[in-house]
Amino acid sequence: QKEVEQDPGPLSVPEGAIVSLNCTYSNSAFQYFMWYRQYSRKGPELLMYTYSSGNKEDGRFTAQVDKSSKYISLFIRDSQPSDSATYLCAMSKSGGSNYKLTFGKGTLLTVNP
Amino acid sequence: EAGVTQFPSHSVIEKGQTVTLRCDPISGHDNLYWYRRVMGKEIKFLLHFVKESKQDESGMPNNRFLAERTGGTYSTLKVQPAELEDSGVYFCASSQTGHSGANVLTFGAGSRLTVL
Repeated sequence: QKEVEQDPGPLSVPEGAIVSLNCTYSNSAFQYFMWYRQYSRKGPELLMYTYSSGNKEDGRFTAQVDKSSKYISLFIRDSQPSDSATYLCAMSKSGGSNYKLTFGKGTLLTVNP
Repeated sequence: EAGVTQFPSHSVIEKGQTVTLRCDPISGHDNLYWYRRVMGKEIKFLLHFVKESKQDESGMPNNRFLAERTGGTYSTLKVQPAELEDSGVYFCASSQTGHSGANVLTFGAGSRLTVL
């Protein structure tokens, strides 16, 4: 079983739609949960991260973590064509190994004008 | 602030040849990491430098891979001899030290390696 599972999509939505992206994981030692956005031919760019369970909001983006279910989500409100990219979830343990990120495969999102 | 810079952006070599990838981290970032994405797979950790010292190279696939960071500034990742399965995108990332919480990594655009 992979440590992190993420549906690769692709996901295609109309402009203005609410987008829901999610990952499941199996390692209960993960404490930091991150969402990266990657445009074509670019490196992953950190969108936001959450520590342990709970929600975090940043503009049109909301990250949710449910540690009891080992399930994390990223919601994008009022999606824009500029949101079209691959979204990667990543996780790490706390403490000295917090640099070792475990990634999902990424979900390719297209927002159509 | 300049980001993480990687060179070359794309390298095409034949099996058995040698390739050296270079990474310039963000100035002042003591931590430097190499990650790799093989086609169809997830991005995976290769190794971690703190300044010039290798802290963790548990992700390095085998001894055909050699990473260095002389002087604690830029880093190189050499693959010698290259095999077909080494094809993929090699990402470099850097971060500051002293963070007690999440370690915020800034990634470069990656070096795409194609081994024929």
